[in-house]
Amino acid sequence: GQQLNQSPQSMFIQEGEDVSMNCTSSSIFNTWLWYKQDPGEGPVLLIALYKAGELTSNGRLTAQFGITRKDSFLNISASIPSDVGIYFCAGRLTNFGNEKLTFGTGTRLTIIP
Amino acid sequence: DAGVTQSPTHLIKTRGQHVTLRCSPISGHKSVSWYQQVLGQGPQFIFQYYEKEERGRGNFPDRFSARQFPNYSSELNVNALLLGDSALYLCASSLPGTSGGVSTDTQYFGPGTRLTVL
Repeated sequence: GQQLNQSPQSMFIQEGEDVSMNCTSSSIFNTWLWYKQDPGEGPVLLIALYKAGELTSNGRLTAQFGITRKDSFLNISASIPSDVGIYFCAGRLTNFGNEKLTFGTGTRLTIIP
Repeated sequence: DAGVTQSPTHLIKTRGQHVTLRCSPISGHKSVSWYQQVLGQGPQFIFQYYEKEERGRGNFPDRFSARQFPNYSSELNVNALLLGDSALYLCASSLPGTSGGVSTDTQYFGPGTRLTVL
């Protein structure tokens, strides 16, 4: 099935560093979402973006909905140990009530002591 | 309030068997979606149900089926299991809505059922 292109695939950073990851698609979406998944758990919603060009923050997280509607990025400032996990972008193009999410391939974030 | 619950947590089956996975949505949520997450990949959409009707189906074979009950809980059934069906099966519930003509449907995921096919 289709998966969005997410980069980088993995990141190794030190605590306190800023993080940036992005997601691109060959087709447009009218909603972009960013989720975080910890081992053995389901994805948890971090940020939802509903409008092209929109920039939204949630604490240390900032995400933007690309103007072409085919991309999005997520920034994390001043990383802390609990930021470790896998981050997924997801796009949605609502079609006759179908709220199907198309997920990216994931970015694994590791913090080096 | 309880989040999305799924049962069982883990399941081991052999090829050719069938399996039923269960999901209880967040109280008040009327839509349930199912996703398959193979190790190392993002979740893949299987089905969405809203008010007991199928709203969407992903690119999965007919061996996969689902239904939603009057209390909005849902079951995912997989027949004639293959080794490749081994995955984490995620259920997400939501309360569809719109704002300014844009869908604000927010899907909340359960912890998943880990299915291993031997």
